[in-house]
Amino acid sequence: EAGVAQSPRYKIIEKRQSVAFWCNPISGHATLYWYQQILGQGPKLLIQFQNNGVVDDSQLPKDRFSAERLKGVDSTLKIQPAKLEDSAVYLCASSLNLAVSGNTIYFGEGSWLTVV
Amino acid sequence: DAKTTQPPSMDCAEGRAANLPCNHSTISGNEYVYWYRQIHSQGPQYIIHGLKNNETNEMASLIITEDRKSSTLILPHATLRDTAVYYCIVRVENTDKLIFGTGTRLQVFP
Repeated sequence: EAGVAQSPRYKIIEKRQSVAFWCNPISGHATLYWYQQILGQGPKLLIQFQNNGVVDDSQLPKDRFSAERLKGVDSTLKIQPAKLEDSAVYLCASSLNLAVSGNTIYFGEGSWLTVV
Repeated sequence: DAKTTQPPSMDCAEGRAANLPCNHSTISGNEYVYWYRQIHSQGPQYIIHGLKNNETNEMASLIITEDRKSSTLILPHATLRDTAVYYCIVRVENTDKLIFGTGTRLQVFP
């Protein structure tokens, strides 16, 4: 079974530039998550989708971050304009269905962003 | 949200059992305990989860106390490849979210 796919794996941009990350979840997984992990910290949830609807985006800095999952399958996370403090690993994860208790969340390898 | 407390770091000799503790004293009755680990430069990897009973799979065993206020992850025969940060997480009820703490950095030495 293929895992959660993310790209690009690494990205270096200058501050005030924009960047986009792509995620393709495990086939058939209805729930998709984006996490931000700053060096030395645990991952922090940014946004959670159930199919193509947003379940929780309370921790997403909406002035510069946006995410979409238009067809309920793959998703894009965008940052515009980027700040130095956005340097982090952006992790995508998916699970079968929000309504199924105790189901497992699987993570991708992450997209490493460095803002200079 | 229920929160977890883990020691920041632990050491374990290769071949010995690694016992990683976790406190979750405010856990609710239908919240699961999940364990993930993260090896440097990789995404978090699912290990095991449980609700009330002890659980075992090919990677590890999970021992949950009867009052559910704490749990222990056991790696029965640690190898150098088990060196990682281990996260104990309580699954938030009805939201399906994982809220990570800072985890335990396990160092397995030869």
